Amino acid sequence: GAVVSQHPSWVICKSGTSVKIECRSLDFQATTMFWYRQFPKQSLMLMATSNEGSKATYEQGVEKDKFLINHASLTLSTLTVTSAHPEDSSFYICSADPPSGAYEQYFGPGTRLTVT
Amino acid sequence: GDSVTQMEGPVTLSEEAFLTINCTYTATGYPSLFWYVQYPGEGLQLLLKATKADDKGSNKGFEATYRKETTSFHLEKGSVQVSDSAVYFCALSGGTGGYNKLIFGAGTRLAVHP
Repeated sequence: GAVVSQHPSWVICKSGTSVKIECRSLDFQATTMFWYRQFPKQSLMLMATSNEGSKATYEQGVEKDKFLINHASLTLSTLTVTSAHPEDSSFYICSADPPSGAYEQYFGPGTRLTVT
Repeated sequence: GDSVTQMEGPVTLSEEAFLTINCTYTATGYPSLFWYVQYPGEGLQLLLKATKADDKGSNKGFEATYRKETTSFHLEKGSVQVSDSAVYFCALSGGTGGYNKLIFGAGTRLAVHP
């Protein structure tokens, strides 16, 4: 089956620093990837849609200058949290649209970010 | 806007008990409905889906029927196992946001004890 990986699985950083999270589709090419954020005991909230070779589309209320998304290849999308603050601490999850489409998305295991 | 509401957990059951996790939605148009499952330490996996009214999705003994009249997509299983312990998410796509955007419920944690 289609596998999506994320790295790192957890990261702790100091306030003011930047953190990069990678999302890879391991056995398929994904022209579209998605980044979600999940707070404890809450829903996954879509942050942005990442399209290979073009700029990401951000959801309303998501700061594009703070959450930089790059989708430079068909198997890799990165999310960089710039100048991180404690309120950015969260669980970040990516997903990818497989070539077959059909409404399905394949999800990575998530990255736990803690900003101290 | 579009939204999904599912019952709060945790749900705690004994093995072989009957499971129901309620899910209702609000959406314009004709959304597709999904149940995703997240096992400990793993990513979300599609459990089942239904793309139009009265469709029944089924997989691994789980079932859910797309009820447009009640805007519901309740998840059921006749006899749960310890291995079913996980977090279950109801989701929709194809409403206002389009077919490639998923809107999730809050998730329901299921714990099954032997």
